[in-house]
Amino acid sequence: KQEVTQIPAALSVPEGENLVLNCSFTDSAIYNLQWFRQDPGKGLTSLLLIQSSQREQTSGRLNASLDKSSGRSTLYIAASQPGDSATYLCAVPSGGYQKVTFGIGTKLQVIP
Amino acid sequence: NAGVTQTPKFQVLKTGQSMTLQCAQDMNHNSMYWYRQDPGMGLRLIYYSASEGTTDKGEVPNGYNVSRLNKREFSLRLESAAPSQTSVYFCASTVERNTEAFFGQGTRLTVV
Repeated sequence: KQEVTQIPAALSVPEGENLVLNCSFTDSAIYNLQWFRQDPGKGLTSLLLIQSSQREQTSGRLNASLDKSSGRSTLYIAASQPGDSATYLCAVPSGGYQKVTFGIGTKLQVIP
Repeated sequence: NAGVTQTPKFQVLKTGQSMTLQCAQDMNHNSMYWYRQDPGMGLRLIYYSASEGTTDKGEVPNGYNVSRLNKREFSLRLESAAPSQTSVYFCASTVERNTEAFFGQGTRLTVV
């Protein structure tokens, strides 16, 4: 059974810092890995999707990397801003429609 | 750019009452999903619909039913609500399995 772990559970950084969020998974037989952000009381917003054949994906200040063999993905946020404050989740599909496993998320606070 | 729209946003039910959560997407996606999100747990799949005309159980289907009304709409019904169904419910859609997922804003349901 796929297990997804996100460490740390919470992170507080001053504005302007570069930071890394981690996502680990136990079964490397994945199709892709998707990163989301969730604002309080809101739905999940897709940030990046990395295909299993890719090593990294970039969008603006965000860069996500994937290392299937070690079961790890990182989300790098450059020059963090208070507007980046949210919970960040990763999700890993491992097969059929119902085999998508979500992490619990990392709650990020960027302090002005 | 509506994406995935859920109604209602908030609902309070008494134990034993029934209700239907509505979801519609305007992205011409084939697959739709219902998840629940509880504190300290990752999103869990309740039901999914791979394509119009089909529905299947996910990880936690007990106490729920679904209807894929047409390609756009996928509803979730609670026939006899229980306090254990207090949760935040999210609808999502994808073009097909293992592709980028898009989420609605969620329905916060409280059963008293």
